[in-house]
Amino acid sequence: KAGVTQTPRYLIKTRGQQVTLSCSPISGHRSVSWYQQTPGQGLQFLFEYFSETQRNKGNFPGRFSGRQFSNSRSEMNVSTLELGDSALYLCASSLAPGTGQETQYFGPGTRLLVL
Amino acid sequence: AQKITQTQPGMFVQEKEAVTLDCTYDTSDQSYGLFWYKQPSSGEMIFLIYQGSYDEQNATEGRYSLNFQKARKSANLVISASQLGDSAMYFCAMRSYGQNFVFGPGTRLSVLP
Repeated sequence: KAGVTQTPRYLIKTRGQQVTLSCSPISGHRSVSWYQQTPGQGLQFLFEYFSETQRNKGNFPGRFSGRQFSNSRSEMNVSTLELGDSALYLCASSLAPGTGQETQYFGPGTRLLVL
Repeated sequence: AQKITQTQPGMFVQEKEAVTLDCTYDTSDQSYGLFWYKQPSSGEMIFLIYQGSYDEQNATEGRYSLNFQKARKSANLVISASQLGDSAMYFCAMRSYGQNFVFGPGTRLSVLP
């Protein structure tokens, strides 16, 4: 079974631009979560989607948004990029959220560099 | 609020020896899951092992085992017979019912030849 895929793998943008990252979950998984990882802040939760609905959102400004499609694929968008948005963005999928027992499987991540 | 603590920023271990990576957690929930992930320099987070809060036996997966001490809120990862390929960051994480995953700050393990 194919794993979680993320595109693109690497991205270079300039301040003020916007970016869209894509994530395809493992087949049959309906929950997708996004994380931002930086050396200073560690792994921080952005948001989680299940059945095209955002279930939870982390403490990030409104410039960060996401959505999920009917086939469970998800996209996240960052508008008006800032230097501090440079990070590894990880997507993870699981069968379904909620019980605490569903393992999340991660994709390879998208490395975003904002100049 | 849930919290994961990993007190070892970095660890060194000799190849073929066993190593224990510490993890303590804080939660008031009764039902939760504990997870360990490995992150090599490539960046991808690799799932290693899972322990449910109601599981009475410690989880094992190949060379990985989880030393679960519920009363102490401890979920240490034990890697037996370390290999050079085990050099990576290791993250402890937990998830309670209806909650998001919470990750610890990680421990960087270096396996020495």
